[in-house]
Amino acid sequence: ETGVTQTPRHLVMGMTNKKSLKCEQHLGHNAMYWYKQSAKKPLELMFVYSLEERVENNSVPSRFSPECPNSSHLFLHLHTLQPEDSALYLCASSQKTGGPYEQYFGPGTRLTVT
Amino acid sequence: AQSVTQLGSHVSVSEGALVLLRCNYSSSVPPYLFWYVQYPNQGLQLLLKYTSAATLVKGINGFEAEFKKSETSFHLTKPSAHMSDAAEYFCAVSDLGQAGTALIFGKGTTLSVSS
Repeated sequence: ETGVTQTPRHLVMGMTNKKSLKCEQHLGHNAMYWYKQSAKKPLELMFVYSLEERVENNSVPSRFSPECPNSSHLFLHLHTLQPEDSALYLCASSQKTGGPYEQYFGPGTRLTVT
Repeated sequence: AQSVTQLGSHVSVSEGALVLLRCNYSSSVPPYLFWYVQYPNQGLQLLLKYTSAATLVKGINGFEAEFKKSETSFHLTKPSAHMSDAAEYFCAVSDLGQAGTALIFGKGTTLSVSS
């Protein structure tokens, strides 16, 4: 595997379910990100992990819970979601230091909350 | 704080015509600037980046962008559009205030190419 991978690619879940999104990067980067992309809205940064420590959460609801066990893996745990949480969830990675900090994105998980 | 503005949420061109997608930035320090492309149901792919080495930056798929400090612009161009260029394009600037060096994205421009 190369680049940034995300699983699953598609997920349908009810509002009472608990599920997790997984992201893995094979680029040797030390920062990882979760973004939410809804129709007709700009990309929303949800979480930033730098050197495995969370540095930004942008006031995301607590029903989204990130986990970064090491610099290559990032999870987004989901529980009691709302229909408005349906979106494309994108994971990205980058180098933290040295610039120019371009981010490499995974293909995304298309989440539908019913 | 840094920000980007993409002028025009939708641009339509004919195949073979010039593509021009506009991006203006705001930054108190010399910025790092990026253009990304997103095809339907896919993630974002880096087209090109500006890192102050050269004001005219060449990217993949025949795209290029010119950094103009006086105009605070970083417009994306391609001399001749192909049908395969139809996608959404995002301009972004590094948020140098973030420890994680997050990117600040514009709202995106959808490019349509007609035959």
